Amino acid sequence: DGGITQSPKYLFRKEGQNVTLSCEQNLNHDAMYWYRQDPGQGLRLIYYSQIVNDFQKGDIAEGYSVSREKKESFPLTVTSAQKNPTAFYLCASRARDRGPLSSPLHFGNGTRLTVT
Amino acid sequence: ELKVEQNPLFLSMQEGKNYTIYCNYSTTSDRLYWYRQDPGKSLESLFVLLSNGAVKQEGRLMASLDTKARLSTLHITAAVHDLSATYFCAVDPYGGATNKLIFGTGTLLAVQP
Repeated sequence: DGGITQSPKYLFRKEGQNVTLSCEQNLNHDAMYWYRQDPGQGLRLIYYSQIVNDFQKGDIAEGYSVSREKKESFPLTVTSAQKNPTAFYLCASRARDRGPLSSPLHFGNGTRLTVT
Repeated sequence: ELKVEQNPLFLSMQEGKNYTIYCNYSTTSDRLYWYRQDPGKSLESLFVLLSNGAVKQEGRLMASLDTKARLSTLHITAAVHDLSATYFCAVDPYGGATNKLIFGTGTLLAVQP
């Protein structure tokens, strides 16, 4: 079955360390996204990529970096510059829109990052 | 600034009752999505609404879209405990040109027996 795999499920890091969250999809989707969710809040867009080797900043990109070297993979690095990195991180992918058709985002199961 | 607001943020209702969750957005969009999230879990797609007047129904949930009013509703009929979750609406602005979704604040629904 196709889907999105995020790893690890839980991640603990010391303050000042960079950490990379993995996201792999086998849905053959062109677009991939990273969202951040804080307790009791909605989702905020960090970065997104519509095609390999190209990505755009979302609303809260500061302190994060991404790469898109392969269609299937969109890793997110949380750098030491991110002031409040503890959160639930969700990766998503989406098929390219075809005229009047539109597909929803498909989400991975998320990575819960705790930085102390 | 693009805003997507949901109302109410928290809803406690009894089993068997009906209620409506509202999603207002501040920019032109003809595409709107509803998602469900169980505690500690990922998001599951519920409905995709693609045009003004679109209505979709699945079980006890019905979603509608009024693009002129920039409003979508999620109506719950005869609620059951299994519907307890957080519900998010998301808007695809600019006609999908940027291919990114903006999410609402979420509505936490608690159905009491």
